Amino acid sequence: GAGVSQSPSNKVTEKGKDVELRCDPISGHTALYWYRQSLGQGLEFLIYFQGNSAPDKSGLPSDRFSAERTGGSVSTLTIQRTQQEDSAVYLCASSLESGGDQPQHFGDGTRLSIL
Amino acid sequence: TQLLEQSPQFLSIQEGENLTVYCNSSSVFSSLQWYRQEPGEGPVLLVTVVTGGEVKKLKRLTFQFGDARKDSSLHITAAQPGDTGLYLCAGGDDKIIFGKGTRLHILP
Repeated sequence: GAGVSQSPSNKVTEKGKDVELRCDPISGHTALYWYRQSLGQGLEFLIYFQGNSAPDKSGLPSDRFSAERTGGSVSTLTIQRTQQEDSAVYLCASSLESGGDQPQHFGDGTRLSIL
Repeated sequence: TQLLEQSPQFLSIQEGENLTVYCNSSSVFSSLQWYRQEPGEGPVLLVTVVTGGEVKKLKRLTFQFGDARKDSSLHITAAQPGDTGLYLCAGGDDKIIFGKGTRLHILP
């Protein structure tokens, strides 16, 4: 399809394991954003990319979280040594360019559950 | 640090009633956006407001950007069950932040 694709859609893992979440943005979109949404809550900013660079990593909760983007396209968010508080829906969005006036197109998220 | 506060947090009203929800900040934003999110899906953009005092209409939804560009409102006329969802406002220059949303439930 032509929209933002995230995989897996659901992930259940044991505490202490590492997980990798993938985001395929809309082709040609230079900006890519990761957010975290806890049950019934709003979106918590994690990181954004302009091309392959991440100008703002201020939202990453701890050094267990990292993200990369290659080829100006696919991005992966990695969480090491997962904790129960990491359980949430992780949403990815892309836009043609960065900026608050640019429409963000969201995927349907990865629902992460840490047992 | 820019913050967006949305109110009310929850709203449950009867079909056919009117309602207004708010998005406020102490910071000036160059633009604000409104999104609606339904369960199990990502948010979908409704509108972007960029000029202080601007009013935009989308069918029964009216969006207003405050003159000082620190706040915005969303007014829904004759609410329908299909309007049920989480309404989020968002803003920023490059780092886009979101409010916590207003969870709206329209009772048939």
